[in-house]
Amino acid sequence: GQQLNQSPQSMFIQEGEDVSMNCTSSSIFNTWLWYKQDPGEGPVLLIALYKAGELTSNGRLTAQFGITRKDSFLNISASIPSDVGIYFCAGQDFGNEKLTFGTGTRLTIIP
Amino acid sequence: DAGVTQSPTHLIKTRGQQVTLRCSPKSGHDTVSWYQQALGQGPQFIFQYYEEEERQRGNFPDRFSGHQFPNYSSELNVNALWLGDSALYLCASSLGPFGSYNSPLHFGNGTRLTVT
Repeated sequence: GQQLNQSPQSMFIQEGEDVSMNCTSSSIFNTWLWYKQDPGEGPVLLIALYKAGELTSNGRLTAQFGITRKDSFLNISASIPSDVGIYFCAGQDFGNEKLTFGTGTRLTIIP
Repeated sequence: DAGVTQSPTHLIKTRGQQVTLRCSPKSGHDTVSWYQQALGQGPQFIFQYYEEEERQRGNFPDRFSGHQFPNYSSELNVNALWLGDSALYLCASSLGPFGSYNSPLHFGNGTRLTVT
């Protein structure tokens, strides 16, 4: 099945650093979502974006809905140990129940 | 406020067998979606149930079937298991079938199925 392209695939950073990741699609979506998944758990919703160009924050997390509707970006400022995990983007169309997920970005914090 | 609960948490089956996975949606939610997550990949949509009917289906064979009960809980059945069916099966719930805008999907912690 289709998966969105996320980059980078993995990141190794030090605590306190800022993080940027993105997600691209060959098709347009009307909703973009960002989820975080910890080992042994299901994805947890971080941010939902509903309008092209929209910039939304949730604490240290900021996400943007690309103006072309084919991409989205997630930034994490001043990373902390609990930010470790896998981040997934997901796109959804109006009237379409399913979410199409990205390939994931694995974030690791180096001591 | 109970979130999405899935059972069992782990399951080992033999190729050719059948399996049933169960899901109870988050309190107040009436729609259940199922996703398959292979190791190292993002979840893939299997199907969605609303008002006890399958509303939409992803690119999965007929060996994958489901059911929704009047209390909104759901089952995922997989017949004639293949080795390639080994994955984490995630259940997600929402209020109403179109999720996101009014009610983003909430996921359970999944059932890890291993087919040997």
